[in-house]
Amino acid sequence: DGGITQSPKYLFRKEGQNVTLSCEQNLNHDAMYWYRQDPGQGLRLIYYSQIVNDFQKGDIAEGYSVSREKKESFPLTVTSAQKNPTAFYLCASSIAGGHSNQPQHFGDGTRLSIL
Amino acid sequence: EDQVTQSPEALRLQEGESSSLNCSYTVSGLRGLFWYRQDPGKGPEFLFTLYSAGEEKEKERLKATLTKKESFLHITAPKPEDSATYLCAVQEAIQGAQKLVFGQGTRLTINP
Repeated sequence: DGGITQSPKYLFRKEGQNVTLSCEQNLNHDAMYWYRQDPGQGLRLIYYSQIVNDFQKGDIAEGYSVSREKKESFPLTVTSAQKNPTAFYLCASSIAGGHSNQPQHFGDGTRLSIL
Repeated sequence: EDQVTQSPEALRLQEGESSSLNCSYTVSGLRGLFWYRQDPGKGPEFLFTLYSAGEEKEKERLKATLTKKESFLHITAPKPEDSATYLCAVQEAIQGAQKLVFGQGTRLTINP
């Protein structure tokens, strides 16, 4: 089955620690995205990537970093500079960015909490 | 700045009681409006894409409609399994990127 796999499902971060959230897709999609979801708020875009080795900041990129070394993978690192990291993190992918209006498809998320 | 507002925030219905969810938007150039369903602890599941005013899409008990300023998600004779949060998003007309702006969602509960 094609889809998007996020791991781990739950993650705990200690003060001053960087943590990395995994996102893998086997849909052969070019574009991938990271969102953050907080209670009562809409999804907010952290980073996105349209092709391998290229990515752009979204609306709330401070305290986060990404890489896109393979088409299938788009890991997100939550750094110690992110002072309020507790949230539900969602990864998505789509056929292409730009002029495409194809829907984004989502993984089942990683819930990050502070110890 | 593009904005999406969904109402109501929460809606509780009896099984079989039809209703509508609203998504109002302001966007400089609409390239698509998307509806998603999200179950607790899960990622959003794609439902519909609407592109132009007057367009309608249907899937089982759900029908989505679009005007120049808002979209409605009509739910007819809902069942308890339709309980979920429904998200609306608009695609911004930004060259070189597909950016979605999401509303905060409507949490729908269908009581048996």
